[in-house]
Amino acid sequence: ILNVEQSPQSLHVQEGDSTNFTCSFPSSNFYALHWYRWETAKSPEALFVMTLNGDEKKKGRISATLNTKEGYSYLYIKGSQPEDSATYLCAFHGGATNKLIFGTGTLLAVQP
Amino acid sequence: DTAVSQTPKYLVTQMGNDKSIKCEQNLGHDTMYWYKQDSKKFLKIMFSYNNKELIINETVPNRFSPKSPDKAHLNLHINSLELGDSAVYFCASSQGNFLAAQETQYFGPGTRLLVL
Repeated sequence: ILNVEQSPQSLHVQEGDSTNFTCSFPSSNFYALHWYRWETAKSPEALFVMTLNGDEKKKGRISATLNTKEGYSYLYIKGSQPEDSATYLCAFHGGATNKLIFGTGTLLAVQP
Repeated sequence: DTAVSQTPKYLVTQMGNDKSIKCEQNLGHDTMYWYKQDSKKFLKIMFSYNNKELIINETVPNRFSPKSPDKAHLNLHINSLELGDSAVYFCASSQGNFLAAQETQYFGPGTRLLVL
């Protein structure tokens, strides 16, 4: 059984705080790691797709790093804003399984 | 324009009924998926089709049958609905080479199914 775990489950921060959360995944048969942002009552939207160990991706105030050898990825949000409030999902793609395996997400709430 | 659309958005029905959920994508993608969001909020793959051919069929009861009339549509038919089928079902699509693990998947808005 392939497990993708995210921590923390939920996070409450004040506007302007920087924050980060973790995605842990199997370190064998790694093909790609996806990050999605999922606002309530909307569809998950892709943030990043990461494939190489040591990858760093950035989109505005959001960035992500990848360590495939130890099986984790960090998502960072700098200067959180209320509109960043959402669930952040990671998904692991191991080639042998030929499918995305999602974590349960980290629910971020940014208080104005 | 909506990229991946699902109908209906909400579906409330009685146990034992047969129902269908429709999904359409206008992105020109070759691969489409059905996911189920379970009670623990996990998104789990159910089926995947590439250019109308079944690629992935997870351990899903036979009561669930996907149908892909063309590569822009992937419908989900559920026979003899059970209480445990209550969940949110998401359709998604990706560009086409399903073996390309780095392809982004684009999700529909979800269909909230409640079986009474």
